[in-house]
This record gives sequence, C-alpha cells and structure tokens, in this order.
Amino acid sequence: EAGVTQFPSHSVIEKGQTVTLRCDPISGHDNLYWYRRVMGKEIKFLLHFVKESKQDESGMPNNRFLAERTGGTYSTLKVQPAELEDSGVYFCASSQDVFGAGELFFGEGSRLTVL
Amino acid sequence: SQQGEEDPQALSIQEGENATMNCSYKTSINNLQWYRQNSGRGLVHLILIRSNEREKHSGRLRVTLDTSKKSSSLLITASRAADTASYFCATASLYNFNKFYFGSGTKLNVKP
Repeated sequence: EAGVTQFPSHSVIEKGQTVTLRCDPISGHDNLYWYRRVMGKEIKFLLHFVKESKQDESGMPNNRFLAERTGGTYSTLKVQPAELEDSGVYFCASSQDVFGAGELFFGEGSRLTVL
Repeated sequence: SQQGEEDPQALSIQEGENATMNCSYKTSINNLQWYRQNSGRGLVHLILIRSNEREKHSGRLRVTLDTSKKSSSLLITASRAADTASYFCATASLYNFNKFYFGSGTKLNVKP
C-alpha cells in the first residue's frame, strides 16, 4: 500500500512568486491534514479536511494560503504571493478514523525556501 | 497555545542506555501520541495512549500519562544508534479530537 506522498520535496522560489504543494493521502483516508514546521520550531497545525470539506482551517496563517481537496482525494496548498516567513517544511498527513483519535500517517514533507 | 511541549530539547546518550523524554500540555485531551522523525523524513507513529490509560508498552517503548499533571513521558530502553531521531508528542483535544497539536520535539542522539 502506498503511503502519503508529497510533491515537490523541495521548492526554492523568490518572494512574491506562487508555489503549489501537492499531497496524495493514503487511499481511503477521509481525513487529510496540513502542518508546517518553521526553523526547527513546533509542528503547527494548518488545516484539516474531511473528504472534500474543510473541517478546520483555523491554523492557516493568512489569506495568501489556499488549500483545496478535489473530490476528496489529493490536496493542494497554494501560497500566493510567497513571503520570506513562509519558508519551512510543509507536512501532509492522513488518517482513516472518521471519529478522530487515530494515528496520523505523514508524508516526507515539502521543504519551501523563499528567497 | 495547546501545543505539547517536549523536554529536553536535545538528549545525547550512549548506546545501551535508556532515554527519557517528557511532554507537557495545557488542555484536556482525548489521547496523546508519540511520533519519531528521522532526519529529512516524515513523522512515524510510535504509540498512542488514551486519556483513561496510565501506562502503555510497545517493544522497547514505555509511555506514561498523568492527566492530573498534564504530562507524559516516553522511555526508550536499551537505546540503539538507529533510535537517533527527533521525537514529538501530539495531543488530540477532548473537545476537538480531530485536531492534533505537536510540540517542538526532542532531538535524541544515540552514540555508538
């Protein structure tokens, strides 16, 4: 069974440009999460999808960030326009347990560097 | 912030020794989980302990949970060089157990 895959693994862009990160969760996992880790600090929650619906997007930093999950399958996280402080590692995770309280399966992360 | 906070931030031990990491959190939880991250890789789930449990074992891992003190500890016995990684605790809120809060992690270095 394939795990959670993220693309790209590393992206280097200029301030003001746009970047789109993609996450393919484990097949059949309704829950999909985005997290971000900046400069070795805590892993911060960004948002949570249940199927195609945004269950909780309280962690999204500002309106430069847009997440979508088409048809409840893969998800994209777009940053437009990117700022220096957006640099970090963006993790995607998925889980099967629709009632929560289950383990999360993580991708290897997308490292974003904004110059 | 509800995030769990791990302590210490970094830990260096010799192979064969035990490693203990602690996690403190702020609000009532449904469960607490520990994850490991090898350098440059994704997080891997290690163990889950529910709020009504006090101790749980999995191989060389022992997790304790004290809900009165809002703290947990992860003990790795007879450590190996391959245990070198960052360890994170994650809490699932009692009121929103689909939302998991992570801390900054403990970086464990096991010297051969």
